[in-house]
Amino acid sequence: QVQLQESGPELVKPSETLSLTCTVSGGSISRYYCNWIRRSPEKGLEWIGYISDNGNGITNYNPSLKSRVTMSMDTSKNQFSLKLNSVTAADTAVYYCARKNSGYEGYFDYWGQGTLVTVSS
Amino acid sequence: DIVMTQSPDSLSVSLGERATINCKSSQSIFYSSNNKNFLGWYQQKPGQPPKLLIYWASSRESGVPDRFSGSGSGTDFTLTISSLQAEDVAVYYCQQYYNTPYTFGQGTKLELK
Repeated sequence: QVQLQESGPELVKPSETLSLTCTVSGGSISRYYCNWIRRSPEKGLEWIGYISDNGNGITNYNPSLKSRVTMSMDTSKNQFSLKLNSVTAADTAVYYCARKNSGYEGYFDYWGQGTLVTVSS
Repeated sequence: DIVMTQSPDSLSVSLGERATINCKSSQSIFYSSNNKNFLGWYQQKPGQPPKLLIYWASSRESGVPDRFSGSGSGTDFTLTISSLQAEDVAVYYCQQYYNTPYTFGQGTKLELK
């Protein structure tokens, strides 16, 4: 059974960088597309982007966030990460990591529990 | 971006009754070359992540009760719960994966009447 778990600071100051890690068990992340999704009262569910190793290492970011987002993965630890820089209060949200099975199948079949990140001084 | 619009925003249904949630996309999410609609449905309960119920608009995820069904094509889709159970109280979301950025509907809150 695939399981995902987010970790990282729950409080980030404005203008700083939000950093989260997703640790995956029960399956190798090399086979999947690893996504970040967030949910906020203002925007609802918002797809942030994905990273995939899959032999060629690709990323695909939401254009609305692309200038501030970096994703990476460490296959030796079965982890992938999100960095979002220059955060504001609008970035306060519950952040989820989620898996999609392939480039063709864009639905998310496994999710982490989510972690609430608050941007505040 | 493809905009997904759900209706209604909230819904009250009695136990054992049918619940119907609609989802409309701003452009067709049907891909004729493989005859598939690139749409999923999710259920989210408080304190939990979204749970995949339906993919390809009408395929039920493993373990999902058969009272949940999805239908529709092109731009108009429906999630139906044939006989509402207490554990179905949740917020339901549709999601298109026809192209990126993947986008979700605003959610429909389903409550017991």
